[in-house]
Amino acid sequence: AQSVTQPDIHITVSEGASLELRCNYSYGATPYLFWYVQSPGQGLQLLLKYFSGDTLVQGIKGFEAEFKRSQSSFNLRKPSVHWSDAAEYFCAVVNWNNNDMRFGAGTRLTVKP
Amino acid sequence: ETGVTQSPTHLIKTRGQQVTLRCSSQSGHNTVSWYQQALGQGPQFIFQYYREEENGRGNFPPRFSGLQFPNYSSELNVNALELDDSALYLCASSLTSGATDTQYFGPGTRLTVL
Repeated sequence: AQSVTQPDIHITVSEGASLELRCNYSYGATPYLFWYVQSPGQGLQLLLKYFSGDTLVQGIKGFEAEFKRSQSSFNLRKPSVHWSDAAEYFCAVVNWNNNDMRFGAGTRLTVKP
Repeated sequence: ETGVTQSPTHLIKTRGQQVTLRCSSQSGHNTVSWYQQALGQGPQFIFQYYREEENGRGNFPPRFSGLQFPNYSSELNVNALELDDSALYLCASSLTSGATDTQYFGPGTRLTVL
């Protein structure tokens, strides 16, 4: 079965600093990978997704992610973090046989002024 | 364009009771997926409905059941509630049932089982 690991439970960065959130996946076939963000009291919002093609994927709000098959990773990056980026971030992989989307446990991002 | 809505926002039940949660899909979407998000965890896939038929199921017992209506709104029913069922329940709608389709999430229903 597919699975996702997000090694960092909580990350704190200063506003304006760069950000990288780690995601490692396990899946036997070509993975369909996603990054979602969840703000308090809100549903999840899709930041970006990868299915095939260019391994560097651009998303909304200035986020990007790079798929590295050799490392089974799909890390999320942003060059300059804004205070409004403080939220919970989830990486996910979907099993396209039964549409079972598996999420990681999430990484909580705190942004210092 | 109306987004995904869920009702109620919060719910308190006691162990052994039954509960029904509701979800209205985004306009034009024929697929609804349900997720359970325990505190401090990522969402877990319960099942997906596509055009009123179950179209995939995660590792949840049969006491978790669902319905999708002709207007593509959906219900999640949970029988014989257990304390561990306390969680945020999220529904998400998508244009089709494809695994690559973007899912649009509602704000969730917070269920507390006492």
